[in-house]
Amino acid sequence: NAGVTQTPKFRVLKTGQSMTLLCAQDMNHEYMYWYRQDPGMGLRLIHYSVGEGTTAKGEVPDGYNVSRLKKQNFLLGLESAAPSQTSVYFCASSSTSSGTSGTDTQYFGPGTRLTVL
Amino acid sequence: QKEVEQDPGPLSVPEGAIVSLNCTYSNSAFQYFMWYRQYSRKGPELLMYTYSSGNKEDGRFTAQVDKSSKYISLFIRDSQPSDSATYLCAMRTIYNFNKFYFGSGTKLNVKP
Repeated sequence: NAGVTQTPKFRVLKTGQSMTLLCAQDMNHEYMYWYRQDPGMGLRLIHYSVGEGTTAKGEVPDGYNVSRLKKQNFLLGLESAAPSQTSVYFCASSSTSSGTSGTDTQYFGPGTRLTVL
Repeated sequence: QKEVEQDPGPLSVPEGAIVSLNCTYSNSAFQYFMWYRQYSRKGPELLMYTYSSGNKEDGRFTAQVDKSSKYISLFIRDSQPSDSATYLCAMRTIYNFNKFYFGSGTKLNVKP
């Protein structure tokens, strides 16, 4: 059981370049999320998905697009990278359980460190 | 004003000390409370999960929720250098399963 995996682990881009970050989960979770984490800012939600084929905007969606073609995968795209998008990106997933056991909390991937020059 | 406030630290303690980490919040609809531990250059991992008020204990860790004061705490007993990490609190309401509110994290350093 790998949990949540992210590809790549590190990437350096030049301003204006594009790239796609891949997130995969093997826990059969319905919900998936993309966050960015910056010093002093905590985790900020970029986009999320409540199921295959559906996506929604989070707190800081500008400059990013997402797709969820398969339940286990959630892709984050940067069409034209900017230095302000230098950050650590985390993918997370969670189930739809409404119980109180903690099984519906989020499970995070190891992160992707992106630098935009 | 952010919905979840957390002192960023850093908090530096000697090995064996009792550590108290705290978060305050403003939304009275929060019912689910979580603590995540994040080691340097790693993703957050769930440490404790509490529903509604009260205490929950797991080994050296105790999570405490005081809904009347809108205040949650994580206590670490007999702290170890391996506890050195950033601790994030998170919470959500009963209405929206996919909306989690995170604190900005407190960096803890336990000195040998």
